[in-house]
Amino acid sequence: EPEVTQTPSHQVTQMGQEVILRCVPISNHLYFYWYRQILGQKVEFLVSFYNNEISEKSEIFDDQFSVERPDGSNFTLKIRSTKLEDSAMYFCASTRDSFTDTQYFGPGTRLTVL
Amino acid sequence: AQSVAQPEDQVNVAEGNPLTVKCTYSVSGNPYLFWYVQYPNRGLQFLLKYITGDNLVKGSYGFEAEFNKSQTSFHLKKPSALVSDSALYFCAVRDMGGATNKLIFGTGTLLAVQP
Repeated sequence: EPEVTQTPSHQVTQMGQEVILRCVPISNHLYFYWYRQILGQKVEFLVSFYNNEISEKSEIFDDQFSVERPDGSNFTLKIRSTKLEDSAMYFCASTRDSFTDTQYFGPGTRLTVL
Repeated sequence: AQSVAQPEDQVNVAEGNPLTVKCTYSVSGNPYLFWYVQYPNRGLQFLLKYITGDNLVKGSYGFEAEFNKSQTSFHLKKPSALVSDSALYFCAVRDMGGATNKLIFGTGTLLAVQP
C-alpha cells in the first residue's frame, strides 16, 4: 500500500539555523499539507500546496517558513532561522482530491531546536 | 469557525469491554468528519471518515463511529477493546470555510486498555 514518507525522522539544530524537512507524498496525489504538533498539544495546520503554489496558510506559517516541490516527488518545508518554539513534530500529508478524500499522513519529523 | 471537541483527555477500559471515545463538532453546513490514531512515536493513521450516507461508519481494526446530527457528535466505538488499541485518538473536521481540505483536529484522547 502506498504511503507518505518523511526524512529525517529526527532533526536536532541550533537556534537560528536553517532546516529543511523532506516529504515524499503518495504518487498520484495532488494536494499536499504540512501540520505540526508541539509536544502534548493538538495537531495544527501550517500550509497547503496545490499546482505548485500555496493554497492556504495559517498564522503560524510566517516569513520564516517556505514550501517547495523541487521535483515530481519531493515536497519540502524550510524554516529559515529556527526558534526554540519551532520544536515540534512536523507531519506531511497528501490527498488526491480536495473535498472528500482522505488525507494520508507521514510518520513525522521530530525537530528539536537547542 | 469549524471546531471539534474531545471532552476526555483519557479513557480507561478493560480488555474485552466496549470502548467509546467521544467527539463533538461545530460546523456551518454539512460536516466531513475523520478519526485518526497515533501510536507512540508514529504518525497519524486514518481510521474512518463520515462524508455522507449511513450514520454508522465502519473503519479499520474493528472501529466504527456513529454520526449524530442532532447531538453534533461523532463518537468512536469498538465492541471489544484490545490492549493493542492503546494509543492517542484524534477527531478531525474538514474546514469548510477554508480554501483547501485542511483538517482541524481535536485535542486528542488517550485510550488506555488494561489487560
